[in-house]
Amino acid sequence: DVKVTQSSRYLVKRTGEKVFLECVQDMDHENMFWYRQDPGLGLRLIYFSYDVKMKEKGDIPEGYSVSREKKERFSLILESASTNQTSMYLCASSLRTPGQNNYGYTFGSGTRLTVV
Amino acid sequence: EDQVTQSPEALRLQEGESSSLNCSYTVSGLRGLFWYRQDPGKGPEFLFTLYSAGEEKEKERLKATLTKKESFLHITAPKPEDSATYLCAVLNQAGTALIFGKGTTLSVSS
Repeated sequence: DVKVTQSSRYLVKRTGEKVFLECVQDMDHENMFWYRQDPGLGLRLIYFSYDVKMKEKGDIPEGYSVSREKKERFSLILESASTNQTSMYLCASSLRTPGQNNYGYTFGSGTRLTVV
Repeated sequence: EDQVTQSPEALRLQEGESSSLNCSYTVSGLRGLFWYRQDPGKGPEFLFTLYSAGEEKEKERLKATLTKKESFLHITAPKPEDSATYLCAVLNQAGTALIFGKGTTLSVSS
């Protein structure tokens, strides 16, 4: 069964810590994405990547960075965690070419991060 | 600006009581409209993709339809296991990523 795996389901970090969220997909997908999901705000795009070592800013990149050293792995980095980064973080992947039935993202189960 | 608006925010139904969820969108040159289901504490699960006005897709008790300005997710004779948050998304104008609505939380009671 194809999967997007996020390394942690729950994470508690202190303000100011550097936080790494890891995401691995086994579908040989070119595209990978990081979203955060908050009540009343829905899913908002943080960063995405279309290829190894390539990254593009989404709608809310401030306070975050990403790394894609290998095709299957996409990491989200919180340089200095703050309480307003407490959220559910969702990783997704997709094939490069849009097409019937195969462009839908495959999501991971999410990481619920609490910054105290 | 590309935008997706879903209504209602929440919907409570009795088992067997059919209804529809609405997704209205503004994007220049629609390249795809997507429906997802999300259960509590889990990531969204892909349901349908619609590409052109008049297109319809079905899966069990769900049917998605598309017009030039909106999409509907029709739920026929729902069961309690259909309770979830349903998300609508469109591919942005640049064709680079999905823009999501805030979702409709459906609760079906027996």
